[in-house]
Amino acid sequence: GNSVTQMEGPVTLSEEAFLTINCTYTATGYPSLFWYVQYPGEGLQLLLKATKADDKGSNKGFEATYRKETTSFHLEKGSVQVSDSAVYFCALTDLRDDKIIFGKGTRLHILP
Amino acid sequence: DAGVIQSPRHEVTEMGQEVTLRCKPISGHDYLFWYRQTMMRGLELLIYFNNNVPIDDSGMPEDRFSAKMPNASFSTLKIQPSEPRDSAVYFCASRPPRAMNTEAFFGQGTRLTVV
Repeated sequence: GNSVTQMEGPVTLSEEAFLTINCTYTATGYPSLFWYVQYPGEGLQLLLKATKADDKGSNKGFEATYRKETTSFHLEKGSVQVSDSAVYFCALTDLRDDKIIFGKGTRLHILP
Repeated sequence: DAGVIQSPRHEVTEMGQEVTLRCKPISGHDYLFWYRQTMMRGLELLIYFNNNVPIDDSGMPEDRFSAKMPNASFSTLKIQPSEPRDSAVYFCASRPPRAMNTEAFFGQGTRLTVV
């Protein structure tokens, strides 16, 4: 079945550091890939998405590229801010499945 | 659209009491999901509906939990009787038809505390 594996946290960085959160997936079909972000006390909200191979999703300075050859969708940001402190979830959907498959989430702490 | 709306935002109840959580999905979405989030277990799918019909309830922890979707614009998750270990944040999410292969939209959650 489909699955998502993302790096475990917590990840602690200083402000303006470069961020990478790794995500790899297993899917039998042609999934769409997502990154969700959850700020403290809030629900999950979509950060970015990519629907086919080699697509790059981007939002708020974050980027992720759908790499079919490595089955990866790593999240990157060039210069993080304290306000980026949150939990980040990698996820996928597939036309063959109703459910959204989530990774376990990665907690990110940014120090001023 | 106002997004997925959940109520209440916070609920504190005594052990043994019945608790009902409510969700209004986004209009036109035909999937509705109920999730539970705790520090220990992370995000767990409890049950989901398609066109108001329960499709998979294998994530419902016990018979004390039940969910209904009487129409396309309303769903409830009920816990009766509640126990302290049910304390968690419960999220509702809705999603367009599967053929669109797109994301789900989450509500703000209900933080349940059972004392």
